[in-house]
Amino acid sequence: SQTIHQWPATLVQPVGSPLSLECTVEGTSNPNLYWYRQAAGRGLQLLFYSIGIGQISSEVPQNLSASRPQDRQFILSSKKLLLSDSGFYLCAWSAGGSGETQYFGPGTRLLVL
Amino acid sequence: QKEVEQDPGPLSVPEGAIVSLNCTYSNSAFQYFMWYRQYSRKGPELLMYTYSSGNKEDGRFTAQVDKSSKYISLFIRDSQPSDSATYLCAMSGPGNTGKLIFGQGTTLQVKP
Repeated sequence: SQTIHQWPATLVQPVGSPLSLECTVEGTSNPNLYWYRQAAGRGLQLLFYSIGIGQISSEVPQNLSASRPQDRQFILSSKKLLLSDSGFYLCAWSAGGSGETQYFGPGTRLLVL
Repeated sequence: QKEVEQDPGPLSVPEGAIVSLNCTYSNSAFQYFMWYRQYSRKGPELLMYTYSSGNKEDGRFTAQVDKSSKYISLFIRDSQPSDSATYLCAMSGPGNTGKLIFGQGTTLQVKP
């Protein structure tokens, strides 16, 4: 069966510090991968998605970047965090193709102080 | 206008009540419809999946899609306190990126 991992689970970082969040998927190959941010009490905002190694699409201009160095690894980064980067970050995967459901990881709660 | 509209609630009901959660959408190309359940501080989990119009039932949960009205619903029968969560609708159309368009989510509280 497929499993998706995210770490760390919780992170408190000062403004201006760098960020690296990691997501890995097990039990499948060539998945589509997604990064979302969820602000408190709000819906999911798609940040990045990837349909293959090295292929990253950005949905919104922001202070963050994403990379996919391996087939089942997706990394979310920032060089300098802003207060507005605080939130709940979720990674998800789906099989390629239309109509495929997405499966979410447990999330990383980021607080920027 | 957002592509998907969902009343954020909160919705509070007594245990045993029938709950109706709804989303409207504007893109007639949407063909795949999903409901996710998200407990506090957890990732969303897939609850129901429906292709095109019609009903789908799974235990106490029923999903309905009315493409002519661009309206989808999730019904929960005999609601339990453990159903207290945020429910997100999601949908997509043709395309190989697999991107989903999510509603804002409705927070449900079932009181014992």
